[in-house]
This record gives sequence, C-alpha cells and structure tokens, in this order.
Amino acid sequence: AQSVTQLGSHVSVSEGALVLLRCNYSSSVPPYLFWYVQYPNQGLQLLLKYTSAATLVKGINGFEAEFKKSETSFHLTKPSAHMSDAAEYFCAVSDGQGGSEKLVFGKGTKLTVNP
Amino acid sequence: GAVVSQHPSWVICKSGTSVKIECRSLDFQATTMFWYRQFPKQSLMLMATSNEGSKATYEQGVEKDKFLINHASLTLSTLTVTSAHPEDSSFYICSARRNEQYFGPGTRLTVT
Repeated sequence: AQSVTQLGSHVSVSEGALVLLRCNYSSSVPPYLFWYVQYPNQGLQLLLKYTSAATLVKGINGFEAEFKKSETSFHLTKPSAHMSDAAEYFCAVSDGQGGSEKLVFGKGTKLTVNP
Repeated sequence: GAVVSQHPSWVICKSGTSVKIECRSLDFQATTMFWYRQFPKQSLMLMATSNEGSKATYEQGVEKDKFLINHASLTLSTLTVTSAHPEDSSFYICSARRNEQYFGPGTRLTVT
C-alpha cells in the first residue's frame, strides 16, 4: 500500500523567505509524486509532478521539488515566498501512469505567509 | 483546457433527504472520474472511481447504497447522497481523468 507523510501541518514564513514543505512517501513500486495547492473552499490545482524523468521538477508559481529515492522524499520548495502563496498544500502519490490512477494524499500543510 | 465544474458549489439539506452533486468535464471527455471527500482541516479521501457506462468502484468502508454514483455520459458523473445525516456534512470534490486528474472546485454539503 502507498502512503504519504507530510511533516508539519502548519508552516509559517515571512514574505520573501524560503518555503520548504516536507513530504515523505512509501510505495512498493516506483512512485509518481505530486504536489497540489488548495485555496479556501476551492478544488485542487496541480503545482508539479514527478513521473520518473528528471529528479528535480519545476512547477508553476516558482515552486520546485526534488525526488530523492534514498530518502523517500519529495519536498516542495520556493526561494522567496509571496503573500499569494498562502494556502493548503497536499502531497500525493500514485502508482499509475502520471496520476491518472488512484491518488493517495497526505494530510496537508497549511502555509501562512507573514508580511 | 481541462476544466472540471461541480454543481452546486454548496448545498444545505435536511436530515433524511437526498442530495445530488454533479461533476462535469467541460472541454474534454472523461471515461473515468473520481469522487473524494474532505473533512475540515483534513486530507482528501477517495470515495469511489466512477467509470462511464459501468458500475462505480467504491473504496473500502464507503457505503455504495448511501453514496450513489452514476456516470451516464463521458462528461458527467453524479454523486447522490441518500438519506443524508449530519455526519455526511463535508466537502466533496470530484476529478476527471484525461492524462492526469483535473479537479473540480468542490461542493460543500451541510446536513441539518
């Protein structure tokens, strides 16, 4: 069975500071990994995905994530936080092709950006 | 492209009544759609996989007779919560599959 652990249910940073959201996964097969962002009372928007190509994945809005197999991690980073980045972030894993199959989500990390 | 809509965006119903939520893929055809449930401040939990023209596949612990799913066309899947109870109050999100999953904006259900 696959699972995702997001360390830190709540992360607070200052505007302009580095954003680091942690995600560790467990999978018995080569995983496909995703980061989604959710704004209040809205659905999910895909930030980026890892599908066994380059281990450093660049996404939208300046976010990127690095797949580290040895650490079973897929942490999300952004060099400089913006106020508009305040939202809930979910890491997810799939064993299907590019996320078209069943997704298993982590519990989410709420990012607060302070002025 | 790849826009998914849900209707209604929020609904309040009385205990014991049924409520239907629609999920539409607006600019693509989706043979498979997924229904998720999200409790406050928690993650999304997959409820069922909806396949066009066939029965939905429910996750363990999800009552198929309570959460009726119909995927009658390539652009529409519906979730009907039957005999709703306050504990069914939640945020329901659907996704439609093309080369990846595209998520709808969600429906907030409140059962009084």
